[in-house]
Amino acid sequence: DTAVSQTPKYLVTQMGNDKSIKCEQNLGHDTMYWYKQDSKKFLKIMFSYNNKELIINETVPNRFSPKSPDKAHLNLHINSLELGDSAVYFCASSQAANEQFFGPGTRLTVL
Amino acid sequence: DQQVKQNSPSLSVQEGRISILNCDYTNSMFDYFLWYKKYPAEGPTFLISISSIKDKNEDGRFTVFLNKSAKHLSLHIVPSQPGDSAVYFCAAKRIGFQKLVFGTGTRLLVSP
Repeated sequence: DTAVSQTPKYLVTQMGNDKSIKCEQNLGHDTMYWYKQDSKKFLKIMFSYNNKELIINETVPNRFSPKSPDKAHLNLHINSLELGDSAVYFCASSQAANEQFFGPGTRLTVL
Repeated sequence: DQQVKQNSPSLSVQEGRISILNCDYTNSMFDYFLWYKKYPAEGPTFLISISSIKDKNEDGRFTVFLNKSAKHLSLHIVPSQPGDSAVYFCAAKRIGFQKLVFGTGTRLLVSP
């Protein structure tokens, strides 16, 4: 009965590969987010979807493509992975612009 | 351009004492502020928030103070407990907008 869940928890892959991270929330929220926490522990927003529509799109390489099949899911697909993509990726959800609830994170390591 | 700053990367406090975590922001458009707590290998958990119309908000052992003129907020934890040991992130936003801007976090260690 986890509120915001992400899969996988750990992802180790080679440079140049394509990978996806999945996120699901069962809170009934209408807004979902992807954040990246880099090696300096800086937590920065990447994307946000409200009712399946993209509302926040920060300066992120277009190798990153979010996809929201429905309000409860927001997946992150990354093409041509680079070493600098290694980070912890957090999914979050909220009802409108209220407090955000975070998933446990996905640690991506690119070798 | 880091709009939310937590200048102390770490803080050590004894159990039972007060913990004070500080946060500064530069964007005067921010009018809603939040504190999140994060344990290792977990996502951040919402702790407490304050809007710019208030200067204090209290929830149990946690109190957040806001000084708008100084663009400064602080989180007080009294009394501190070993279970409070975690990384605390300050975050800021504009009311009605989803975008949250986070600080870099302060690691709090509460020793018995």
